Amino acid sequence: TQLLEQSPQFLSIQEGENLTVYCNSSSVFSSLQWYRQEPGEGPVLLVTVVTGGEVKKLKRLTFQFGDARKDSSLHITAAQPGDTGLYLCAGARNTDKLIFGTGTRLQVFP
Amino acid sequence: DAGITQSPRHKVTETGTPVTLRCHQTENHRYMYWYRQDPGHGLRLIHYSYGVKDTDKGEVSDGYSVSRSKTEDFLLTLESATSSQTSVYFCAINAGQSSTDTQYFGPGTRLTVL
Repeated sequence: TQLLEQSPQFLSIQEGENLTVYCNSSSVFSSLQWYRQEPGEGPVLLVTVVTGGEVKKLKRLTFQFGDARKDSSLHITAAQPGDTGLYLCAGARNTDKLIFGTGTRLQVFP
Repeated sequence: DAGITQSPRHKVTETGTPVTLRCHQTENHRYMYWYRQDPGHGLRLIHYSYGVKDTDKGEVSDGYSVSRSKTEDFLLTLESATSSQTSVYFCAINAGQSSTDTQYFGPGTRLTVL
């Protein structure tokens, strides 16, 4: 059972386009993290959101935590080829573990 | 760079053979994790450790065992490898005081079981 479902699974766009990736669950999380992973490497943390409704911006990336802390979104404005990679959300539920989402693979073409 | 190394980086083995993957950290972090990554599944937790000789199961622990006899090393063993265990394996450490702080990942081990 996958507690965190991401959509879309694959996304292929042209440079300059905007996109949104969704991370959804029926469970409540105390915090939610977004990671990006490039081929041949491990995931790297982009951001952590903690409060319901919280919005964080990281240059062209905007992250939002749902009001009920069950979902999150990542919006990229004017995507660039350097944004290409696998995006993973991960939720914390006050245990020793993170639960990772199914992943969204983004390809940005020049 | 959280000083995490994994060995080997690549391994090809045959069904039924035992395999041990090693994760080494240089900064004495308490929490260490083993994940496997497969297309469409993101990262799935196999086992984790919250201290020397303290380990617990993750969501996909069947067929795997772990050991942590020193703070810096966390070993993952496949007692009798099967083709379904072909995957990329990642080790991670938790760099904060909370169990759900940022996780830093090693470079991964690509395992192929023939």
